[in-house]
Amino acid sequence: GQQLNQSPQSMFIQEGEDVSMNCTSSSIFNTWLWYKQDPGEGPVLLIALYKAGELTSNGRLTAQFGITRKDSFLNISASIPSDVGIYFCAGQVQAGTALIFGKGTTLSVSS
Amino acid sequence: DAMVIQNPRYQVTQFGKPVTLSCSQTLNHNVMYWYQQKSSQAPKLLFHYYDKDFNNEADTPDNFQSRRPNTSFCFLDIRSPGLGDAAMYLCATSRDLGVGGETQYFGPGTRLLVL
Repeated sequence: GQQLNQSPQSMFIQEGEDVSMNCTSSSIFNTWLWYKQDPGEGPVLLIALYKAGELTSNGRLTAQFGITRKDSFLNISASIPSDVGIYFCAGQVQAGTALIFGKGTTLSVSS
Repeated sequence: DAMVIQNPRYQVTQFGKPVTLSCSQTLNHNVMYWYQQKSSQAPKLLFHYYDKDFNNEADTPDNFQSRRPNTSFCFLDIRSPGLGDAAMYLCATSRDLGVGGETQYFGPGTRLLVL
């Protein structure tokens, strides 16, 4: 099925560093969602984006809905150990269609 | 707090023995979804209910069925589990099907082990 291209696949960083990950698609999306998933748990919604160009923050997290509507990025500033996990982007092409997930970015933070 | 609840969190079943996973929500959302997630992969949509309307994904095996007796509850039935059905099963809800944007909220998941 259709998938998003999410990169990087994994990141190993030091505590305090900033992190950036992104997703791109060949299709135009009307919604971008960013989730974090801890081992053995369900994905937790971090940020939801609904408009092209929209820039939204949630604490140390910032995400943007690309102007072309084909991409989105997530930034994490001043990373801490509890940021460890898998981050998924998800997009929706149009109302009533299934969410399309990226393959995830695994983040490791060393203190 | 309003939330999506899944029970049990861990389920062990035998090869071929029917199993039912449950999901409940206090968000009063119209739409409920079931996903299958295997290790190191993204969630894969199995089906969803929009109110009482059932929508099956084309590649969902017939072995997987679902019931939604009311707004708050949704069940996933696996009629004859195979070893390949061992996975995390995630329930999610959304208020609507995307009018003005759709945000899905996930439960904690049920990890199914097939012996």
